[in-house]
Amino acid sequence: QVQLVQSGAEVKKPGASVKVSCKASGYTFTSYYMHWVRQAPGQGLEWMGIINPSGGSTSYAQKFQGRVTMTRDTSTSTVYMELSSLRSEDTAVYYCARDGGAGDGYTTYMDVWGKGTTVTVSS
Amino acid sequence: SSELTQDPAVSVALGQTVRITCQGDSLRSYYASWYQQKPGQAPVLVIYGKNNRPSGIPDRFSGSSSGNTASLTITGAQAEDEADYYCNSRDSSGNHLYVFGTGTKVTVL
Repeated sequence: QVQLVQSGAEVKKPGASVKVSCKASGYTFTSYYMHWVRQAPGQGLEWMGIINPSGGSTSYAQKFQGRVTMTRDTSTSTVYMELSSLRSEDTAVYYCARDGGAGDGYTTYMDVWGKGTTVTVSS
Repeated sequence: SSELTQDPAVSVALGQTVRITCQGDSLRSYYASWYQQKPGQAPVLVIYGKNNRPSGIPDRFSGSSSGNTASLTITGAQAEDEADYYCNSRDSSGNHLYVFGTGTKVTVL
């Protein structure tokens, strides 16, 4: 079955970086874009960016430009999200989500989600 | 960047109908998708495109759109529908960016 398995919880100090992984299985990895979404405690969902596992191209939300890097390893069907210069406000659950979009450019959706990775930033 | 605005909370009596709306300029160009999230769980896709339900989503969930507003309707709400609901669409900038709505907490009375 299609699934996304994320890496385990992380605790980081302010100023450090964190790298979260998301391993895909059950489908052709390079055929679907992958989103990263985060959710701070008690807050809503926040879109961070998207990566094309085929060519590696990325688009990031302006808020995270310069601090986030999304990469992929096609040999292991894994995407990564690295966030640097961490601050307390980055404490959140980070999700990867597959883009199941229809390919028409107008119909986009996230049809498969990982269970989330909790990142805690604390001194 | 675009914004998608949702009412913070709505309530519905068991078995009745509730409509959740999502407003934003990007919805004039792109379809919204809708996600249900229960406490401590990852979001689940419930509606996408014009009005499509993924496999396993009950047919009491439906979607519609008009102008800059997308709507998710639950017809005959059940206790298990109590959750947070978020809309999402591409950003209206034309770049490959996306935005989530502010979220709506649905309480089933």
